[in-house]
Amino acid sequence: DIQMTQTTSSLSASLGDRVTISCSASQGISNYLNWYQQKPDGTVKLLIYYTSSLHSGVPSRFSGSGSGTDYSLTISNLEPEDIATYYCQQYSKLRTFGGGTKLEIK
Amino acid sequence: QVQLKESGPGLVAPSQSLSITCTVSGFSLTSYDISWIRQPPGKGLEWLGVIWTGGGTNYNSAFMSRLSISKDNSKSQVFLKMNSLQTDDTAIYYCVRDGGRMDYWGQGTSVTVSS
Repeated sequence: DIQMTQTTSSLSASLGDRVTISCSASQGISNYLNWYQQKPDGTVKLLIYYTSSLHSGVPSRFSGSGSGTDYSLTISNLEPEDIATYYCQQYSKLRTFGGGTKLEIK
Repeated sequence: QVQLKESGPGLVAPSQSLSITCTVSGFSLTSYDISWIRQPPGKGLEWLGVIWTGGGTNYNSAFMSRLSISKDNSKSQVFLKMNSLQTDDTAIYYCVRDGGRMDYWGQGTSVTVSS
């Protein structure tokens, strides 16, 4: 099974900041990597698919990058509605989620 | 529009089985795979398994011995059955449209395992 690791479980940042959340896979996943946002009310939304493609309706301040085993999600110009937990998920071999990174306002 | 809605029992006794139905609308189960995800209280998302458009299934190895996913394309329903539930199976269970990327999620159904 492929393991996904988000080493930062929580992160504090100020409004307007640029934030980067990292995710690593236990083996290469050939860019088959998605990012999701879960709001405090439990609602989950797809943000980024295939490493760097922005899902429909997602603000352009969200972006993704990476290759091989290491991937990241960047939020530029942090806004109040970005307070959430962020998960990476691989779909190279079946599916696995990372443990999540909770983003809070400083 | 695309919708997925889970319906489950709410409360299950330890050692008993869990059955949840996911009813979809706005798309066909012959065109999209469906995954099941769960989230225990205060914890992260956990992928349980997938049913492919052709009806084949794959499961998280941690649940393979006690999980079964099936579907009825004509009724637009997907079924999850998990056996031998314990208290740590308490979670919100989601069905999700899965085309590699999980683009539509149900609201989730809360399941508590307790006597």
